[in-house]
Amino acid sequence: GAVVSQHPSWVICKSGTSVKIECRSLDFQATTMFWYRQFPKQSLMLMATSNEGSKATYEQGVEKDKFLINHASLTLSTLTVTSAHPEDSSFYICSAEGTSGPLGTDTQYFGPGTRLTVL
Amino acid sequence: ELKVEQNPLFLSMQEGKNYTIYCNYSTTSDRLYWYRQDPGKSLESLFVLLSNGAVKQEGRLMASLDTKARLSTLHITAAVHDLSATYFCAVDLVGSYQLTFGKGTKLSVIP
Repeated sequence: GAVVSQHPSWVICKSGTSVKIECRSLDFQATTMFWYRQFPKQSLMLMATSNEGSKATYEQGVEKDKFLINHASLTLSTLTVTSAHPEDSSFYICSAEGTSGPLGTDTQYFGPGTRLTVL
Repeated sequence: ELKVEQNPLFLSMQEGKNYTIYCNYSTTSDRLYWYRQDPGKSLESLFVLLSNGAVKQEGRLMASLDTKARLSTLHITAAVHDLSATYFCAVDLVGSYQLTFGKGTKLSVIP
């Protein structure tokens, strides 16, 4: 249980275009989802917390107009990188908060990640 | 502000040897997690430790938690090459599900 998927798994786009990344909880409902960014050889950095039906809460230094988050249902959150630039190239990982997974407690379950490369 | 520090950041060890990775955190936390990340992959959940003195073991990995010292350890027994990966610890603040991650420990097990 507690499977989280992301789509696409990788994307290459031209500078100036927008890219949408989907995060789905496949076998459970998630009121809260989280979006992280990870640069090479670095740790995960929380970008924002996404709550179903309300506005996302962004971490300090993350531009909300550049990284648009929508959590329209209990199983889907989307991250749209608007007007992407090469410095936005990174590994984006989402997680969903759930209780039905193997850890047996309310915790975050991570998606497989999306590698974004902006040319 | 919650801070999580891991050490060492890099660890090269021979197969068959034992070693420990340490994770210190700065404020009271509800839970401590250990994750594994392989290159190009997302996080794999290893353990969640919920209370002082908690110890969990899976195969050659054993994690423990001392909430008074704000310290968790991940002990590797008789390392094998398949354990080569980056290991992260993470904690969440009391009453919150937001995770704060350590910088990770890159483990290389050499034959």
